[in-house]
Amino acid sequence: EAQVTQNPRYLITVTGKKLTVTCSQNMNHEYMSWYRQDPGLGLRQIYYSMNVEVTDKGDVPEGYKVSRKEKRNFPLILESPSPNQTSLYFCASRIQGGDEKLFFGSGTQLSVL
Amino acid sequence: GQNIDQPTEMTATEGAIVQINCTYQTSGFNGLFWYQQHAGEAPTFLSYNVLDGLEEKGRFSSFLSRSKGYSYLLLKELQMKDSASYLCAVSPSGGYNKLIFGAGTRLAVHP
Repeated sequence: EAQVTQNPRYLITVTGKKLTVTCSQNMNHEYMSWYRQDPGLGLRQIYYSMNVEVTDKGDVPEGYKVSRKEKRNFPLILESPSPNQTSLYFCASRIQGGDEKLFFGSGTQLSVL
Repeated sequence: GQNIDQPTEMTATEGAIVQINCTYQTSGFNGLFWYQQHAGEAPTFLSYNVLDGLEEKGRFSSFLSRSKGYSYLLLKELQMKDSASYLCAVSPSGGYNKLIFGAGTRLAVHP
């Protein structure tokens, strides 16, 4: 089944403790992206990747890192999480082409205490 | 700046028709997407408009007017399962790698 898999689904952590949210897709998509979703603000792009070893900042990249060593994986890294990073995070992928639809993972609800 | 406006909430009755509006002001325009998101779930693709006019897909239709910076999603024969948030998203010029989302419209369908 074609899908984008995110883990974990829920995560509670404390300020400053490094964490990684994993994202993997099995559709051979070139493009992958991370979003955060906050009430009243909609989805905001954190980072995106056009292909292996090609990443770029979205609209809200501060406090996040990403890597794209393999085509299928695009982990999101929070080196030193802070409470304002408490949010619902979605990974998404699509084939190359801006008019192509995004496939989203099931989301990661992160709480930073 | 980039701005997308949608109503925050709407209610409708099962079997009725509802129109969800979206207005946008962006630095150029490539196309407009609509996504559906049920509570606690991931967004899923509904439609994509790049040219002016109405695109019909079963019970759902989407309209675009590029000159007015306006789109709407039309849902016919509403069902309870249509209760969800509907997200409008615009791909700005030169920004195929970026998608600007509106805050979404939460639709509640009542019996």
